[in-house]
Amino acid sequence: AQSVTQLDSQVPVFEEAPVELRCNYSSSVSVYLFWYVQYPNQGLQLLLKYLSGSTLVKSINGFEAEFNKSQTSFHLRKPSVHISDTAEYFCAVMEYGNKLVFGAGTILRVKS
Amino acid sequence: SAVISQKPSRDICQRGTSLTIQCQVDSQVTMMFWYRQQPGQSLTLIATANQGSEATYESGFVIDKFPISRPNLTFSTLTVSNMSPEDSSIYLCSVNSGDTEAFFGQGTRLTVV
Repeated sequence: AQSVTQLDSQVPVFEEAPVELRCNYSSSVSVYLFWYVQYPNQGLQLLLKYLSGSTLVKSINGFEAEFNKSQTSFHLRKPSVHISDTAEYFCAVMEYGNKLVFGAGTILRVKS
Repeated sequence: SAVISQKPSRDICQRGTSLTIQCQVDSQVTMMFWYRQQPGQSLTLIATANQGSEATYESGFVIDKFPISRPNLTFSTLTVSNMSPEDSSIYLCSVNSGDTEAFFGQGTRLTVV
């Protein structure tokens, strides 16, 4: 069975500092990996995804994540965060055509 | 991609009553998923709804409490029955597009008083 572990429940960081949100997964088969973001009082939005190919994937707003098969990780990074990045971030895995399994979420708090 | 409309967006309900949430997709999809997000927690899958067959429920969820309909390939409903304050959550409908990406509705924010 699949499972996702997000190692940090909250990450406080100052504006313009770098940040890493950690995600580890377990699965017996190949999976697709996702990061979703939920801004306060809003719905889930897909931030980025890994399906195949290059292990480094990027979003349009400066986030990136690297799939590491040997470490079964998919950590999310941003070199310089903004106040507007304050949100909850969910890592998720999907087996082909199947349901998503979510991690517990990491609240990113960006302080000025 | 898929555009999902969920109704209602929010509701406040009396305990003991039932609420039916509707999910409409702008394209035909095989599977539709219903998730629950309890306050301060992650998303938990309630059930998978396939058109033409009974929904498949995850451990801890039962059909009597969360009956689901799936009358066609673009529509599904989830009913939260005999509600209690513990049912206060955000309920989300989701579909997969191309079997590799999930899209979510905006959710239904339910408060049971």
